[in-house]
Amino acid sequence: DIVMTQSPDSLAVSLGERATINCRSSQSVLYSSDNKNYLAWYQQKPGQPPKLLIYWASTRESGVPNRFSGSGSGTDFTLTISSLQAEDVAVYYCHQYYSTPRSFGQGTKLEIK
Amino acid sequence: QVQLVESGGGEVQPGRSLRLSCAASGFTFSSHAIHWVRQAPGKGLEWVAVISYDGSDKYYADSVKGRFTISRDNSKNTVYLQMNSLRDEDTAVYYCAREGIMYYCDFWGQGTLVTVSS
Repeated sequence: DIVMTQSPDSLAVSLGERATINCRSSQSVLYSSDNKNYLAWYQQKPGQPPKLLIYWASTRESGVPNRFSGSGSGTDFTLTISSLQAEDVAVYYCHQYYSTPRSFGQGTKLEIK
Repeated sequence: QVQLVESGGGEVQPGRSLRLSCAASGFTFSSHAIHWVRQAPGKGLEWVAVISYDGSDKYYADSVKGRFTISRDNSKNTVYLQMNSLRDEDTAVYYCAREGIMYYCDFWGQGTLVTVSS
């Protein structure tokens, strides 16, 4: 089973500043046959279901602001918010869909400093 | 638009059973796998189970294997999660999520709360 580990567990960033969340998988989620990383990022606000932000590690879902970006390959990934807005306060999860059982990181709580 | 609506949650005693439903609309239901993911109060997301588009393949997390059963009725656009031998640690909001054509979950329902308590 693939274990997903995020860092940090919580993060406080000033408005307009950059926020960076890291995610590491216990084994590679890069599928050699299509050269795609089976890694997604979700945003969850209180009382709401998760919302898809990024898939294939770096492709933004339609409608997601371009201040959100994803990078990385293999086992190490990063979600970056280039200029933090108040509405970005949420918990962020990485998720591997490379294999079953699927798994999520433990979440990173992002707050305003 | 795509909609997933969970129902069937509630409070139940340990050892008892509950069946959750996930009703879908706004897309070709029979073309998509559906997942169940749960979230204990104040905790992170835990994947529970998945059923393939035609119901032929089903997979479960170890924590629920042998106790939970996922099924679907494509004529009713509904997926079910039969939960037996419920434990305190099954207390959570249960979400159903659609697996898109490219394998990641792209739409989620609002969730239904299951509370296991004596």
